[in-house]
Amino acid sequence: GEDVEQSLFLSVREGDSSVINCTYTDSSSTYLYWYKQEPGAGLQLLTYIFSNMDMKQDQRLTVLLNKKDKHLSLRIADTQTGDSAIYFCAGSLYNFNKFYFGSGTKLNVKP
Amino acid sequence: DTGVSQDPRHKITKRGQNVTFRCDPISEHNRLYWYRQTLGQGPEFLTYFQNEAQLEKSRLLSDRFSAERPKGSFSTLEIQRTEQGDSAMYLCASSLGRLAGAGYNEQFFGPGTRLTVL
Repeated sequence: GEDVEQSLFLSVREGDSSVINCTYTDSSSTYLYWYKQEPGAGLQLLTYIFSNMDMKQDQRLTVLLNKKDKHLSLRIADTQTGDSAIYFCAGSLYNFNKFYFGSGTKLNVKP
Repeated sequence: DTGVSQDPRHKITKRGQNVTFRCDPISEHNRLYWYRQTLGQGPEFLTYFQNEAQLEKSRLLSDRFSAERPKGSFSTLEIQRTEQGDSAMYLCASSLGRLAGAGYNEQFFGPGTRLTVL
């Protein structure tokens, strides 16, 4: 079955870059995603990457995909206190019939 | 507010009782998903509907769980004979899903129904 591993916590200072890492087991994942969950709020899609891409940049967010090592990372440049949240890595097959999520990384941004 | 609503937001029940949750997706979305999220974990996929057809079910969905989407619009998730282990947040998500590509299949999540089984 699908398994997604993430480190549990990350603490950074405001203005620094944050890098959140994820490893997954299912090599047939076609799309990989990063979601953000703030306390008391639903999940919000931040960005996604297609499996034939190595990198995707979207404003302060950079996603790197190493398909050989099944490793996905999310870099947040100039991290702000409003970025404090839980970040989930997720994957899906090409038909979007099923999604699987990691257990989340709690990002704490210190002023 | 993503446009996906869930009702109720909180449900407290006694072990052995049946509970039913409702999800109203964004109106033009034809894909609907149910997930369960326990404390400190990510969402676990339960089941998926394309219009009214239930196309995928997780092994997590035991015989006590049943989901419907009778007219391809709202969906219900029923848990029979609840157990304490069913205590969790139940999330619903919907996506447009008419065309290929992740951009057309972005999931919009509802706020969830938090179930507590005493």
